[in-house]
Amino acid sequence: DTGVSQNPRHKITKRGQNVTFRCDPISEHNRLYWYRQTLGQGPEFLTYFQNEAQLEKSRLLSDRFSAERPKGSFSTLEIQRTEQGDSAMYLCASSSRQNNYGYTFGSGTRLTVV
Amino acid sequence: AQSVTQLDSQVPVFEEAPVELRCNYSSSVSVYLFWYVQYPNQGLQLLLKYLSGSTLVKGINGFEAEFNKSQTSFHLRKPSVHISDTAEYFCAVQGGKLIFGQGTELSVKP
Repeated sequence: DTGVSQNPRHKITKRGQNVTFRCDPISEHNRLYWYRQTLGQGPEFLTYFQNEAQLEKSRLLSDRFSAERPKGSFSTLEIQRTEQGDSAMYLCASSSRQNNYGYTFGSGTRLTVV
Repeated sequence: AQSVTQLDSQVPVFEEAPVELRCNYSSSVSVYLFWYVQYPNQGLQLLLKYLSGSTLVKGINGFEAEFNKSQTSFHLRKPSVHISDTAEYFCAVQGGKLIFGQGTELSVKP
């Protein structure tokens, strides 16, 4: 069990560029979650997957955001045409029924849009 | 819908003093309750959780929390803090997905 892995750890991009983040969950966890955290705030739910199915999306997830989880393993979160307001820490977590769906979080990807 | 309110945004305390971080929640259904800790530039680490049973829950690093259904509270306590406890603490409620409070910054001074 190597935990939840997120890459990259940091990303600096120019406004208008597209960025993609990757999350590798704990291998036996069937649920995967994405959260966004801005400075001084608690994490806000974006979306979650059960296996490869995306079951819920927050209204925070505008049409510039898309998430995928092909084959129910790793997940990617893409932001198109980035804006300065997208600057935040993007956290991924995974869980399974075996641990009462307790979340294990990755270390996050910090995005800075300049 | 569930929501979480952390009543203090910042709590300064001296080393070896006791501390309480306050959390109230709102939910129309039974929920699970959690406390997470976040060190600078890191992800969230689970401190403790209440799923059912005993209302006093013990976690890692000497922290404990008490679930109070009548007051809809889940306050976090530690009898004696260390410098290394300086971090951001988040209370969270899970009725489906996990919903977080805004966080309490605990600052332990020597």
